[in-house]
Amino acid sequence: NAGVTQTPKFQVLKTGQSMTLQCAQDMNHEYMSWYRQDPGMGLRLIHYSVGAGITDQGEVPNGYNVSRSTTEDFPLRLLSAAPSQTSVYFCASSVEFRSPRQYFGPGTRLTVT
Amino acid sequence: SQKIEQNSEALNIQEGKTATLTCNYTNYSPAYLQWYRQDPGRGPVFLLLIRENEKEKRKERLKVTFDTTLKQSLFHITASQPADSATYLCALDHGGSQGNLIFGKGTKLSVKP
Repeated sequence: NAGVTQTPKFQVLKTGQSMTLQCAQDMNHEYMSWYRQDPGMGLRLIHYSVGAGITDQGEVPNGYNVSRSTTEDFPLRLLSAAPSQTSVYFCASSVEFRSPRQYFGPGTRLTVT
Repeated sequence: SQKIEQNSEALNIQEGKTATLTCNYTNYSPAYLQWYRQDPGRGPVFLLLIRENEKEKRKERLKVTFDTTLKQSLFHITASQPADSATYLCALDHGGSQGNLIFGKGTKLSVKP
């Protein structure tokens, strides 16, 4: 199993550009989520999904969209990038919602200039 | 609102000593608490989970305690090695609708040979 994979690993965007961060898992996990990690701050939840076709907002959802058309994939879309979205983004999955153990991807480091 | 604090941003110890990291929380009664390890440029990796009705959990050189009265968890690494150098994150069961976990900011452990 590859586990949780994320692409790209690094990305530089100009303010106003849009892009999609990809996340996939091959463990047949129902629950998937996106976090951002900033220096001096803990991981903060952006959006999550409890299963295909179901998504919900986390703590910091503004400026981001998600969809979950399949169990395996959970892309994160930045609609109009802003410098405040410069961060490291992690995708995570677990067997189901309320399953405590999270499996994290390797992360995407995004810089918005 | 819920608050989770890891007592120090950095901890430096000598190889062979026991490292003790602290996680405190307020305004909350989590069903469980987890510890993750994060290496630079990588995603967090699950280490241990302890439930509210458990006092202590061990895994090889790792030990976690959970005191629901003090609202505190201690994470111990015995006979520490330079390879244990990493950032350690504490995470609590959110217990609400916004996803699964709340993360602390982490403690960066450096083990000197």
